[in-house]
Amino acid sequence: DSGVTQTPKHLITATGQRVTLRCSPRSGDLSVYWYQQSLDQGLQFLIQYYNGEERAKGNILERFSAQQFPDLHSELNLSSLELGDSALYFCASSVGTGALGYGYTFGSGTRLTVV
Amino acid sequence: SQELEQSPQSLIVQEGKNLTINCTSSKTLYGLYWYKQKYGEGLIFLMMLQKGGEEKSHEKITAKLDEKKQQSSLHITASQPSHAGIYLCGAAVPKAAGNKLTFGGGTRVLVKP
Repeated sequence: DSGVTQTPKHLITATGQRVTLRCSPRSGDLSVYWYQQSLDQGLQFLIQYYNGEERAKGNILERFSAQQFPDLHSELNLSSLELGDSALYFCASSVGTGALGYGYTFGSGTRLTVV
Repeated sequence: SQELEQSPQSLIVQEGKNLTINCTSSKTLYGLYWYKQKYGEGLIFLMMLQKGGEEKSHEKITAKLDEKKQQSSLHITASQPSHAGIYLCGAAVPKAAGNKLTFGGGTRVLVKP
């Protein structure tokens, strides 16, 4: 157990629907990062939050949004889902604002299948 | 943006044999991280390299950082079935974009018993 908790582990939904993925960071970590892993794109950075504020954005679609709550857990909202959104979504956390010197701790991921 | 290229993309090795994975960066490396991922599961941190010439070992896995070549290598000695998985290198981009980690495409390792 890495200390980063992601729920649900698996999610199957239809095109056009909206889902919410949840992440609880490791105790003491203030930063949360979301990544998408697909077969053709590899591991892609989506967005980072630090202590409740958005810190960095990557290749995140406008249909996707995220937030980090006062208790530091984070949610990734995916809407108007398309078949191509099927992927593994990872959450990672770190103590500080970035990876330098510390690295990330990853959760076990949420496998999203859009049918 | 920083890009990391890993080679080979995949490899099959006989149990007991050694293997080496390379990770080359398009830009200066400020920190290089190696992770292992079992198929369909989360990433497990292996080791982090920060200084040129640095070499770290954990059990049968050794990683080196060549700052001049902007390259890191991961070497597994006497591979075992437990070494099978996807190995990913990640590099931190300082200051820009929240010091996020960008990752290489991964190397899939299969160890044949």
